[in-house]
Amino acid sequence: KQEVTQIPAALSVPEGENLVLNCSFTDSAIYNLQWFRQDPGKGLTSLLLIQSSQREQTSGRLNASLDKSSGRSTLYIAASQPGDSATYLCAFTETGANNLFFGTGTRLTVIP
Amino acid sequence: SQTIHQWPATLVQPVGSPLSLECTVEGTSNPNLYWYRQAAGRGLQLLFYSVGIGQISSEVPQNLSASRPQDRQFILSSKKLLLSDSGFYLCAWSVSRGQFSPEKLFFGSGTQLSVL
Repeated sequence: KQEVTQIPAALSVPEGENLVLNCSFTDSAIYNLQWFRQDPGKGLTSLLLIQSSQREQTSGRLNASLDKSSGRSTLYIAASQPGDSATYLCAFTETGANNLFFGTGTRLTVIP
Repeated sequence: SQTIHQWPATLVQPVGSPLSLECTVEGTSNPNLYWYRQAAGRGLQLLFYSVGIGQISSEVPQNLSASRPQDRQFILSSKKLLLSDSGFYLCAWSVSRGQFSPEKLFFGSGTQLSVL
């Protein structure tokens, strides 16, 4: 059974701080891994997608890394802002499958 | 540009009543379409996906069903709702690359369903 674990479940940081969100998975046969952002009561927005052949992707203040051998991915947010407050979810796709396996997310609060 | 529309945003239904949630995608052709459910405190669960008109795959047994009557329309239905059907329902689409391994998923804004 595929499992995706995100730690911590909730995180509060002061504005301007750099932070790391963690995602671990049990399946090494991943096709890609995505990080999403979800605002309360809203749908998900894809932030970054890392193919299994890649080690990291960057978009603005966000950097996501993937280590298949250890079953881990991290999302690094630089110089956090109050607008970054949201729940962040990671999800991976298995090779040859049509499903994304989601973690339960990390709820981030950036305090002004 | 591509857009995905999902409605209604919120819905309160009594146990045993029928359900119909609709999702439409604009600006793309032959997308893969997905229905997910997000229960409180749990991760997203894939309910159904479709790679083409009339082609529906179910990931979990339940009293829900899905249909794809048109290329860019995906409908989630139930004949009789259960209390356990309460949750946040999300429709999503991805570029079709055959039947396997979706690339980026683009999500709708969701429907909060409360079954009382």
